[in-house]
Amino acid sequence: SQQGEEDPQALSIQEGENATMNCSYKTSINNLQWYRQNSGRGLVHLILIRSNEREKHSGRLRVTLDTSKKSSSLLITASRAADTASYFCATRETSGSRLTFGEGTQLTVNP
Amino acid sequence: GAGVSQSPSNKVTEKGKDVELRCDPISGHTALYWYRQRLGQGLEFLIYFQGNSAPDKSGLPSDRFSAERTGESVSTLTIQRTQQEDSAVYLCASSLDASYNSPLHFGNGTRLTVT
Repeated sequence: SQQGEEDPQALSIQEGENATMNCSYKTSINNLQWYRQNSGRGLVHLILIRSNEREKHSGRLRVTLDTSKKSSSLLITASRAADTASYFCATRETSGSRLTFGEGTQLTVNP
Repeated sequence: GAGVSQSPSNKVTEKGKDVELRCDPISGHTALYWYRQRLGQGLEFLIYFQGNSAPDKSGLPSDRFSAERTGESVSTLTIQRTQQEDSAVYLCASSLDASYNSPLHFGNGTRLTVT
């Protein structure tokens, strides 16, 4: 079964708007990572947030982590058409080495 | 250097045949993962290799699936007696080491279609 669940499953916005995607998970984690996947390609690592961190920034990306609620959010500011892709959260559990992925959010940014 | 390379990029096979998928990780990466992704879905963990340690095979869906890795280089995923439900994209990823904070680097996957 999947550890992470993303919300929403699909999101369509206009260029320039912000996009927010949420992820919930079930177990204790060491870190939470966000990946991006363009159609027909592999996943690309975007950002990692450790369990003792609450917020992290990278360019137009902002990630928050609330371990008490077992949830994370990914914010993409000033979106571009090139941001169109699927976005996945992945968790590294404290009990093991595997990285478990959620079902993903399909983001469409309309020019 | 080069990224993770997977071959073939596409494979069409008849039900009941065996297939072998190949993954060349990034040089120097000691950890290697295989995932399966069905159309429009997330990634399903299959198997994990770390150096010379015993692999974590807990995600393999049946005994028709097996994987090997030669040292810290090439890995092959073998599916015997393929079934239509095996149709999916098989993704390989490597990371520098097994530390919790090493991100995964993915190949572009092998799209397997079982007819």
